[in-house]
Amino acid sequence: DTEVTQTPKHLVMGMTNKKSLKCEQHMGHRAMYWYKQKAKKPPELMFVYSYEKLSINESVPSRFSPECPNSSLLNLHLHALQPEDSALYLCASSQNPGTANTGELFFGEGSRLTVL
Amino acid sequence: GQNIDQPTEMTATEGAIVQINCTYQTSGFNGLFWYQQHAGEAPTFLSYNVLDGLEEKGRFSSFLSRSKGYSYLLLKELQMKDSASYLCAAFNNNDMRFGAGTRLTVKP
Repeated sequence: DTEVTQTPKHLVMGMTNKKSLKCEQHMGHRAMYWYKQKAKKPPELMFVYSYEKLSINESVPSRFSPECPNSSLLNLHLHALQPEDSALYLCASSQNPGTANTGELFFGEGSRLTVL
Repeated sequence: GQNIDQPTEMTATEGAIVQINCTYQTSGFNGLFWYQQHAGEAPTFLSYNVLDGLEEKGRFSSFLSRSKGYSYLLLKELQMKDSASYLCAAFNNNDMRFGAGTRLTVKP
């Protein structure tokens, strides 16, 4: 299994809603990532988890809250979002952190979020 | 800080060769990656370089000069399906940062 699975594929939410994006991989990867991508722009790094611990937080607003419940799962909890947060949210994983990590990212298909 | 630069757009003809350049300045460096992204799809891995030199994978090759902070992706025998965005990315300790991407259009 070389897939990263993201759900839901599409999400429409109001500014007062609370929702979550989910990501799952069963490749034994211990580094997992959230990226945000706007149309015709490159992916922007949001968070990195290494061995289920948050290792990078790119000054993302607190209305985005990541969670890594175990080595296979990564969630992104959303609350009180703004219309400008509408984007494609990409989850990725890579091999075990450290010297063995080649850095190749395996991306999910993304969750397309629309905030009304 | 990190700064990764690549051309915004390029156009080439089917069957031709195209080279996409990337320059980078990063505070740490473990490798330089190239990803392909078709519109509406997730990025897919093409190649990576850790050491100076050329890495060849079929129609795609990537080159790295660490001392110059420079890489290029070479695409040979272009096909229409190669029309996509090509993202240069610098990697350092689980931190993968992307350049703005080069939108390549392949014309008949």
